[in-house]
Amino acid sequence: AQRVTQPEKLLSVFKGAPVELKCNYSYSGSPELFWYVQYSRQRLQLLLRHISRESIKGFTADLNKGETSFHLKKPFAQEEDSAMYYCALLGNYKLTFGKGTLLTVNP
Amino acid sequence: EAGVAQSPRYKIIEKRQSVAFWCNPISGHATLYWYQQILGQGPKLLIQFQNNGVVDDSQLPKDRFSAERLKGVDSTLKIQPAKLEDSAVYLCASGSSGRMTDTQYFGPGTRLTVL
Repeated sequence: AQRVTQPEKLLSVFKGAPVELKCNYSYSGSPELFWYVQYSRQRLQLLLRHISRESIKGFTADLNKGETSFHLKKPFAQEEDSAMYYCALLGNYKLTFGKGTLLTVNP
Repeated sequence: EAGVAQSPRYKIIEKRQSVAFWCNPISGHATLYWYQQILGQGPKLLIQFQNNGVVDDSQLPKDRFSAERLKGVDSTLKIQPAKLEDSAVYLCASGSSGRMTDTQYFGPGTRLTVL
């Protein structure tokens, strides 16, 4: 069975501080990992995927197979980053989401 | 391009009643997904269509849930009869080519409350 764990339900930081949203996964095969984001009153949307190895809105995420982690990081948080973030794993042709972390960036 | 459309946006019913949700994917998208998102949880895949065929419905409670995608475009998800634990947001998503690695574009969701 595949599983995604986001250990923090809530994360609060101040503007300009670094932020890291944690994601751990369990999957026997070779996974593909994603981060989805939902801003207030908006739809769920893809933020980034590990195979692209790109930075989106200043966010990066590195797949660490040894630690089975895919943490999302940003060096300097902005107020507009406040949102719900979901880590997701693609395995067995099925996308499995974590429970999400609500990030609040305070002014 | 227009996004994924869903209706209704909100629905309140009593347990044992029936309810149906409608989804119109992005034009030309071959793949359509229905997810159930219970409060405090991430979305859970219920069913995936590729054009008008079912690819995966392993997590669909088939004793009460049904879904169809006639003509490979619009889709409806039905619950009959509803239970209290069906209260959730039902999300529809579409993807362009059917590869699971494709970006999934989500609709606004239908919030169902079962009393």
